[in-house]
Amino acid sequence: AQTVTQSQPEMSVQEAETVTLSCTYDTSESDYYLFWYKQPPSRQMILVIRQEAYKQQNATENRFSVNFQKAAKSFSLKISDSQLGDAAMYFCASGAQKLVFGQGTRLTINP
Amino acid sequence: DVKVTQSSRYLVKRTGEKVFLECVQDMDHENMFWYRQDPGLGLRLIYFSYDVKMKEKGDIPEGYSVSREKKERFSLILESASTNQTSMYLCASTLTGLGYNEQFFGPGTRLTVL
Repeated sequence: AQTVTQSQPEMSVQEAETVTLSCTYDTSESDYYLFWYKQPPSRQMILVIRQEAYKQQNATENRFSVNFQKAAKSFSLKISDSQLGDAAMYFCASGAQKLVFGQGTRLTINP
Repeated sequence: DVKVTQSSRYLVKRTGEKVFLECVQDMDHENMFWYRQDPGLGLRLIYFSYDVKMKEKGDIPEGYSVSREKKERFSLILESASTNQTSMYLCASTLTGLGYNEQFFGPGTRLTVL
């Protein structure tokens, strides 16, 4: 069975600083994908970034980047130049068509 | 603009009631999912459907059933609601295909069972 673990229930960061959210996973699949989803307060969950497990290059989307360590089964999200609008619950997920989600990390941005 | 809608944002029901949660997507997606979101537990898959009238159990199907009579609509049914089913319920949909397809989520239904 697949598992995804986010060990940081809450994180906070000063506006304009950088923050890293941690995620580890375990899977027996040989072909899988990793995702970070964002759930703003009272708003819909949206995809932030994804990584194909077969790709060694870390994915980047503007201020969001990942550090994918396949051997360690680690998939962390780095948010650079944090903005107030980044405040949300962040979920790490693993899978392809069906996803397994982590417990979530609540990110607070301090002005 | 892609859209997944859920019939209610907030719902309050009594123990033992039959509860229907409706989800509609306008993207012609084959796959639809129902998740339950609880603090500290993240999202857990209840059921998913990969085609009309097709369904598969997820990780926590006990106490729930689903119905998919039309491609765009996926219903979650609580046959006899219990207090431990108080939770946030999220619907999602995605295309079928090789590899990855982004899941699009609805706004969620916060269900309280008294």
